[in-house]
Amino acid sequence: DIQMTQSPSTLSASVGDRVTITCRASQSVRSWLAWYQQKPGQAPSLLIYEASSLESGVPSRFSGSGSGTEFTLTINSLQPDDFATYYCQQYNSFPRTFGQGTKVEIK
Amino acid sequence: QITLKESGPALVKPTQTLTLTCTFSGFSLSTAGVGVGWIRQPPGKALEWLALIYGDGDRRYSPSLRSRLTITRDTSKNQVVLTMTNMDPVDTATYYCAHRITDRSFDSWGQGTLVTVSS
Repeated sequence: DIQMTQSPSTLSASVGDRVTITCRASQSVRSWLAWYQQKPGQAPSLLIYEASSLESGVPSRFSGSGSGTEFTLTINSLQPDDFATYYCQQYNSFPRTFGQGTKVEIK
Repeated sequence: QITLKESGPALVKPTQTLTLTCTFSGFSLSTAGVGVGWIRQPPGKALEWLALIYGDGDRRYSPSLRSRLTITRDTSKNQVVLTMTNMDPVDTATYYCAHRITDRSFDSWGQGTLVTVSS
């Protein structure tokens, strides 16, 4: 199985901050990497697919980059609605695997 | 507009078999590249992928749960069913079904259904 490791596990930030979350894969997943946002009591929602493609309807302050084994999710100018937990997921091979999540909290 | 909704028991006893149904609309599971997956999330924990069925009928399972899982589809009813045998309290989780499309992984999710395993 490909292990996905996110850092940090928790991140404290303020509205307007630029936030970066890292996801590392134990082996190459090429660009088959997705990012999801999950708010308490809700299902995850797709933000980024294929490492850097923005899902329709997602604000442009979200961006993704990377390939192979190292990926980042960046949120420019953090908004109140962005305080949530973020997960990366590889879909290069089976079994599909998720990172452990990064919780973005209000500072 | 794609929608998915999970249904099934909220409470099961240890050793019982869980049957969950995902009823969807807005797409056909007969279309190439389309699939429906199941993902679960124990309370306060991370997401765990369980199984995936493709439009061509191909099925994939989590190796760690392979012996306990079966995923099937009924294209006429727009439903995907997941069965998990020999339920244990550690299987207590919210179970989600999600639409999968080529290149984009899971782009639409159901609301999830909480299953508690307890005697």
